[in-house]
Amino acid sequence: DAKTTQPTSMDCAEGRAANLPCNHSTISGNEYVYWYRQIHSQGPQYIIHGLKNNETNEMASLIITEDRKSSTLILPHATLRDTAVYYCIVRPSSNTGKLIFGQGTTLQVKP
Amino acid sequence: GAGVSQSPSNKVTEKGKDVELRCDPISGHTALYWYRQSLGQGLEFLIYFQGNSAPDKSGLPSDRFSAERTGGSVSTLTIQRTQQEDSAVYLCASSRITGDTSMNTEAFFGQGTRLTVV
Repeated sequence: DAKTTQPTSMDCAEGRAANLPCNHSTISGNEYVYWYRQIHSQGPQYIIHGLKNNETNEMASLIITEDRKSSTLILPHATLRDTAVYYCIVRPSSNTGKLIFGQGTTLQVKP
Repeated sequence: GAGVSQSPSNKVTEKGKDVELRCDPISGHTALYWYRQSLGQGLEFLIYFQGNSAPDKSGLPSDRFSAERTGGSVSTLTIQRTQQEDSAVYLCASSRITGDTSMNTEAFFGQGTRLTVV
């Protein structure tokens, strides 16, 4: 049980912001939201994670709603190289937290 | 090495043969994960090692699958009596524990081993 729900696919124009939603309505207080992506024929790549505050790094921003039941990954200026499957994952803060991947969102960035 | 290393990168085997897949995690990473990804599908969790704790084997699909992690470093995934449905990319990942929160940090993945059973 992946515990998250994501749209199957999305399109985005090159240079525009890509906003990828994720629902995690059953998230518990000690669970973090992680985002990974998998570019074709490569291993998954970590993007960002957060607990309740919004987070930003060199790759993306993560916006988590106040009730923590959903989040949005934002790629501010999508490029063709951002075409990938994006996975939203919740995992506990304990050191026994295995990563369970759902089906993810296939993002197609178009010229 | 700088990243997670998996070998071989490709393996073709005959149905019924045993195969061993190797994963060298990032040095110092105490957590190690194995996943399987069939063509066009998502990542299927197989097994998780964390330090000296008993591994979480809840994702292993059958008793033909087993994994070891010797010395807290290198791991080997063994598939006995391979079947055609075992054909997939097998991915390994590792992560470390942060000192302050005892939490797993982000996992770093290898490039996988593509297994083809003919």
